[in-house]
Amino acid sequence: NAGVMQNPRHLVRRRGQEARLRCSPMKGHSHVYWYRQLPEEGLKFMVYLQKENIIDESGMPKERFSAEFPKEGPSILRIQQVVRGDSAAYFCASSPQKGNSPLHFGNGTRLTVT
Amino acid sequence: KQEVTQIPAALSVPEGENLVLNCSFTDSAIYNLQWFRQDPGKGLTSLLLIQSSQREQTSGRLNASLDKSSGRSTLYIAASQPGDSATYLCAVRQSKAAGNKLTFGGGTRVLVKP
Repeated sequence: NAGVMQNPRHLVRRRGQEARLRCSPMKGHSHVYWYRQLPEEGLKFMVYLQKENIIDESGMPKERFSAEFPKEGPSILRIQQVVRGDSAAYFCASSPQKGNSPLHFGNGTRLTVT
Repeated sequence: KQEVTQIPAALSVPEGENLVLNCSFTDSAIYNLQWFRQDPGKGLTSLLLIQSSQREQTSGRLNASLDKSSGRSTLYIAASQPGDSATYLCAVRQSKAAGNKLTFGGGTRVLVKP
């Protein structure tokens, strides 16, 4: 049973470009979460999605960031017009349901903005 | 607003010594608390999950206790090994309705010297 798959592992973008980060949850998991780990900071919640629904986006920056989890295909975290401060590790995690199941994390996408 | 603190930020011990990692949180009305391990360049691995109604959880050499009223959890790792070297993170989930929206501590970086 494959774990949470994130790609790419490393992404380099120049200021002003768009970054697209992909996440395929574990098989059977319908809840996806995105977290961001800035350099020298802890993990911070960004957004919680179920298929075709954004449940909680209280951690998302108000501009340039968006997330989706379509009926078919992976969840996508999209950052438009990237700036240097967006450089971070972005982690996706999934769980099967809302209950007591622990989160399963992917290995992250490390975004570097030059 | 929930805040989670982990002290110390870093810890170095000789192999065989027991490890004690501390986690404190400001809002005691939590749903559960999880301990994770993070290896460099990797994602997070869930170690133990303690429900708010539980006092402790054990898995092999790992034992985690929870004192909700005082806002503290402790992770004990018995007879440490070099392979235990990693960053250990605790995270709290505030409510069942919030899904796995977690608030993380800053982590304790552990080095076990052979």
